[in-house]
Amino acid sequence: KQEVTQIPAALSVPEGENLVLNCSFTDSAIYNLQWFRQDPGKGLTSLLLIQSSQREQTSGRLNASLDKSSGRSTLYIAASQPGDSATYLCAVREGGAGSYQLTFGKGTKLSVIP
Amino acid sequence: DGGITQSPKYLFRKEGQNVTLSCEQNLNHDAMYWYRQDPGQGLRLIYYSQIVNDFQKGDIAEGYSVSREKKESFPLTVTSAQKNPTAFYLCASSTGQGWGYGYTFGSGTRLTVV
Repeated sequence: KQEVTQIPAALSVPEGENLVLNCSFTDSAIYNLQWFRQDPGKGLTSLLLIQSSQREQTSGRLNASLDKSSGRSTLYIAASQPGDSATYLCAVREGGAGSYQLTFGKGTKLSVIP
Repeated sequence: DGGITQSPKYLFRKEGQNVTLSCEQNLNHDAMYWYRQDPGQGLRLIYYSQIVNDFQKGDIAEGYSVSREKKESFPLTVTSAQKNPTAFYLCASSTGQGWGYGYTFGSGTRLTVV
């Protein structure tokens, strides 16, 4: 069964710093990987979607990479801002039976200190 | 604007009561999903539906029921058989055609047993 792990569970950085969030998954047979942001008490907002054939995706100050063979993805946030404070979740979508299911990591809680 | 609407935002249930959580989408997505989120456990799939009048159990379907009579709507009923229903419930949707598309989430319903 697919397992998704996110390290670290929590991260606190000063404003302006660049940072990397990590996501690893046990089964490399994925169709895509999606990074989400969740603010306290809110739903999930999609940040970036990487197809299995892609190596990276960029949106503004965010860059997500995917190394499917090693089962790893990173989310790079440049020039962090207090508004980036949230929990970041990664999720993988697999193929085959039950392929509509996303498997989520438990998230990294990011705090950006002004 | 297209999106997913969940209602109510907060819901209180008495012991032995059934309650229904609403999820409506205007994205013309074929597939819809219900996830449960508990602190420290991440998101877990309750039910999903790929087309109208069809749905499948996820990992934690016991004590829940769903219907999919319209493409736009996927209500979740939390029955009295669900022994620990206090949680944050998230509805999501995706296109059913092509694995490369990501998920869109609603803003969630927080259910509390009183």
